[in-house]
Amino acid sequence: DGGITQSPKYLFRKEGQNVTLSCEQNLNHDAMYWYRQDPGQGLRLIYYSQIVNDFQKGDIAEGYSVSREKKESFPLTVTSAQKNPTAFYLCASSIGRGYTFGSGTRLTVV
Amino acid sequence: GNSVTQMEGPVTLSEEAFLTINCTYTATGYPSLFWYVQYPGEGLQLLLKATKADDKGSNKGFEATYRKETTSFHLEKGSVQVSDSAVYFCALWETNAGKSTFGDGTTLTVKP
Repeated sequence: DGGITQSPKYLFRKEGQNVTLSCEQNLNHDAMYWYRQDPGQGLRLIYYSQIVNDFQKGDIAEGYSVSREKKESFPLTVTSAQKNPTAFYLCASSIGRGYTFGSGTRLTVV
Repeated sequence: GNSVTQMEGPVTLSEEAFLTINCTYTATGYPSLFWYVQYPGEGLQLLLKATKADDKGSNKGFEATYRKETTSFHLEKGSVQVSDSAVYFCALWETNAGKSTFGDGTTLTVKP
């Protein structure tokens, strides 16, 4: 079955460390997205990519970085510059007019 | 810019009650409209969609009609179940930008 796989489901990071969240899709979708969700909050767009080797900043890109070397993969790195990284991170893909979401990664700073 | 405004929650209903969650939007042109549902600890799932004015999206007993004249896409269900307890997000698709704008979400709790 086609879908989006996010890993790991839970991730713990020490302060000052960079961590990378994985997002892989086998839907053959051109566009991929990263969102952040805080408890009781809506979704905030971090980065998105509409084609390989190209990506755009969303509303809260500071402290995050991405790459899009393959159509299937869109990893997100949370850098030490992100001051409050504890959140639920959602990856999505689209072929236009709506998203397919992954099951999310919960990142906690310890 | 584009925006989506959802009815504030949380909403608490008894089983078999009627559900309405209001959603209005501001957009240039005629965007496609969506409702997504998020169960605890999971990602969002597409619940239903409508791509043009007067279209009705429906799925699992939920319905929403694209009303251009009132720029609305209200979600309704005639008889809710405990298993419908979740967070519901209204969204529009920005064709030129290639991304969606989401409302803040509405938490629904259904009690037996």
